[in-house]
Amino acid sequence: DTEVTQTPKHLVMGMTNKKSLKCEQHMGHRAMYWYKQKAKKPPELMFVYSYEKLSINESVPSRFSPECPNSSLLNLHLHALQPEDSALYLCASSLGGGRRSSGNTIYFGEGSWLTVV
Amino acid sequence: GENVEQHPSTLSVQEGDSAVIKCTYSDSASNYFPWYKQELGKRPQLIIDIRSNVGEKKDQRIAVTLNKTAKHFSLHITETQPEDSAVYFCAASFTGFQKLVFGTGTRLLVSP
Repeated sequence: DTEVTQTPKHLVMGMTNKKSLKCEQHMGHRAMYWYKQKAKKPPELMFVYSYEKLSINESVPSRFSPECPNSSLLNLHLHALQPEDSALYLCASSLGGGRRSSGNTIYFGEGSWLTVV
Repeated sequence: GENVEQHPSTLSVQEGDSAVIKCTYSDSASNYFPWYKQELGKRPQLIIDIRSNVGEKKDQRIAVTLNKTAKHFSLHITETQPEDSAVYFCAASFTGFQKLVFGTGTRLLVSP
């Protein structure tokens, strides 16, 4: 089962709201990721967690705050977003958790469509 | 940092024809090269991948080739079908990091 589950599938929020995106996987994967994808563009890496610790932050604005409560869950807390943050937010996971674990297949969830108004 | 270029940006073929998508990468240390297919409104799904110790890999109608010297890799789809229509992304992985760098994508349209 290569399932990464994301909720909600769609989210509309105002610029002053606080919301969270949630991601869950039960494949025993030790690395989890947040990607952002704008229309007609490739996914862009935001954050990587390895063994529940933040290992990569791609200089993402602080209005995006990731959290990894345990090895199966990954959250992305959203606060004071801008309309240009509207995008598809993809969670992903891979088996390897070490920083030097390149080459492990990355599995994507269905994504959360975020609209900031 | 790593940069991945992908061509063409759009590709239209007739059903049954072959389709080839090409990518080049800049970091000679990259050692993992997956291809993802993304249908409209859906998640990227891995269709095939290749590691730097292999020159070619096939899976039914799909094949990927890797030329490490030239730093390019290609996706080959034979006997295309309308359901192959999607956006295809190549990617390359930095050695030492869990970071996939994606190409800009190719929109493949297969006409019946």
